Amino acid sequence: QQQVKQSPQSLIVQKGGISIINCAYENTAFDYFPWYQQFPGKGPALLIAIRPDVSEKKEGRFTISFNKSAKQFSLHIMDSQPGDSATYFCAASMEYGNKLVFGAGTILRVKS
Amino acid sequence: NAGVTQTPKFRILKIGQSMTLQCTQDMNHNYMYWYRQDPGMGLKLIYYSVGAGITDKGEVPNGYNVSRSTTEDFPLRLELAAPSQTSVYFCASSYSGRSNEQFFGPGTRLTVL
Repeated sequence: QQQVKQSPQSLIVQKGGISIINCAYENTAFDYFPWYQQFPGKGPALLIAIRPDVSEKKEGRFTISFNKSAKQFSLHIMDSQPGDSATYFCAASMEYGNKLVFGAGTILRVKS
Repeated sequence: NAGVTQTPKFRILKIGQSMTLQCTQDMNHNYMYWYRQDPGMGLKLIYYSVGAGITDKGEVPNGYNVSRSTTEDFPLRLELAAPSQTSVYFCASSYSGRSNEQFFGPGTRLTVL
């Protein structure tokens, strides 16, 4: 199975709060897990990515948590800001990330 | 660098018409991709290419064709447009290798009526 399941579909968070988006995968051959951020009218852009040899990766306010045994990974956005309002996609791939399988996306709105 | 550029930005087609979506990248990337994005469905890979002269099908290739005659260009051809092809189309490119960040273009919004 190549599917990546993402939840929730949409999320509203107060400014300063923590946004959490979850993804689950089935194919244990996946070895690269990126998150992409997309603003309205724009193409997606890479936000942060992780490989399964680590359980957590942090870049500024953005953290990926990875649970290999559960085949789940999540994006945490700390101190969420209105400028973080966007659609977030998780993805997974084999073969060094050449063919990405995307989740359905989460629309995040941060209220000021 | 302009990155990945796509033309046109918007297009309305009638059922049965044909068109080519253009994609060009100036980053000397070997890998290029075409995705379609439908509401609530994420991005689905249509076709991809690992270098000039080499293309392969993705998850949803039916109704589309591609070619890759140069490193820079990767056009997507719709031969007989159908309403099911109404979507936003994104082209992307990446280096070969382990850290394979994909760089996306701004998209083409296509409506088939």
